[in-house]
Amino acid sequence: ILNVEQSPQSLHVQEGDSTNFTCSFPSSNFYALHWYRWETAKSPEALFVMTLNGDEKKKGRISATLNTKEGYSYLYIKGSQPEDSATYLCAFNEYNFNKFYFGSGTKLNVKP
Amino acid sequence: GAGVSQTPSNKVTEKGKYVELRCDPISGHTALYWYRQSLGQGPEFLIYFQGTGAADDSGLPNDRFFAVRPEGSVSTLKIQRTERGDSAVYLCASRSGASASTDTQYFGPGTRLTVL
Repeated sequence: ILNVEQSPQSLHVQEGDSTNFTCSFPSSNFYALHWYRWETAKSPEALFVMTLNGDEKKKGRISATLNTKEGYSYLYIKGSQPEDSATYLCAFNEYNFNKFYFGSGTKLNVKP
Repeated sequence: GAGVSQTPSNKVTEKGKYVELRCDPISGHTALYWYRQSLGQGPEFLIYFQGTGAADDSGLPNDRFFAVRPEGSVSTLKIQRTERGDSAVYLCASRSGASASTDTQYFGPGTRLTVL
């Protein structure tokens, strides 16, 4: 079983704060890393699919970076808003396999 | 367009009973996944279908769990002799292509199973 870890487990920030969290995964046999946002009572929603070392992706105020050599990805949220409150999940995909290994998520709460 | 749907949204059953959970993927998506999410954990892979066949069922915890996708669209996850430890949210996801690296998975809202 591959180990994918996310930290911190939960985060409480004020509206307007910028924040970031980490996903760690095995550095060998890397194929892809996916980030998802999961709001309460909704379906997980895909944010980014990252495949190349050094990749940086951006979607509005949210961005992500990828380091496959050391096995980590950062997710950044600039100027957090209450609607950013959700659990953020990362999922690691190993080369030549179709299964995904998820971290346990970072639960973000943004206070107005 | 319609997303992935799952029924029922909630299922309460008694220990030892049989349950079926249904997933309707996005039309045309050939790949379909089932995951289980227990409290405080991330989704755990159960099984992956490519078309009608189970390409990888290595995540099914034991032989009480079985899944089918007879026509390559709707899938049913079947759990026999349910146990309290089976209580979890069961998520289904579909994606269009054969490559896992770049194709987005689209998730359903999940079925919350409670075994009393």
